[in-house]
Amino acid sequence: GAGVSQSPRYKVAKRGQDVALRCDPISGHVSLFWYQQALGQGPEFLTYFQNEAQLDKSGLPSDRFFAERPEGSVSTLKIQRTQQEDSAVYLCASSLITRSGEQFFGPGTRLTVL
Amino acid sequence: KQEVTQIPAALSVPEGENLVLNCSFTDSAIYNLQWFRQDPGKGLTSLLLIQSSQREQTSGRLNASLDKSSGRSTLYIAASQPGDSATYLCAVLVSNFGNEKLTFGTGTRLTIIP
Repeated sequence: GAGVSQSPRYKVAKRGQDVALRCDPISGHVSLFWYQQALGQGPEFLTYFQNEAQLDKSGLPSDRFFAERPEGSVSTLKIQRTQQEDSAVYLCASSLITRSGEQFFGPGTRLTVL
Repeated sequence: KQEVTQIPAALSVPEGENLVLNCSFTDSAIYNLQWFRQDPGKGLTSLLLIQSSQREQTSGRLNASLDKSSGRSTLYIAASQPGDSATYLCAVLVSNFGNEKLTFGTGTRLTIIP
């Protein structure tokens, strides 16, 4: 079956531009997560949705970061006024159930801010 | 705050050898622990998920153990192959209600020498 998909796979933005990153979770998965992975580091949590509700956004680094999942399926991570320190791989994951659910990851979007 | 450490950061072994990767975590109140592999430029592939009540999980040549009380997990790879070359990440889910995020280590970069 289809896994988690993300688009675009690569994004180059000039500093100050807004970007939108898309995640299509596995069909029927309740939970959706966004993580940020800097070069040579492990992924770090950004935000979590249960269906359409954003239950935890404690990892978002600033108010320039915004995520939504309006219909409880596809999610978009938006970064406004991008800065060089936003350059990273943005990973999306989904899980079928809440609590103890195995998380399945997409291929990521590599964002480079010039 | 949960911290996850993986040692060593990099490991090179000849093909055919058995090897062990280590993961330690500071807060033993975890819900589960997951091992992933990440190939260069790719997302994360889930290898094994161990619930807090379990001691180990096996899949093919992989065996993961969990000692929650000491805050340690190991991933054992038998009869290593060049295709096993990748970065291996462990991640824990803490057991606080409402907390769904994984906390990752920085990974062990494994190279299998043909």
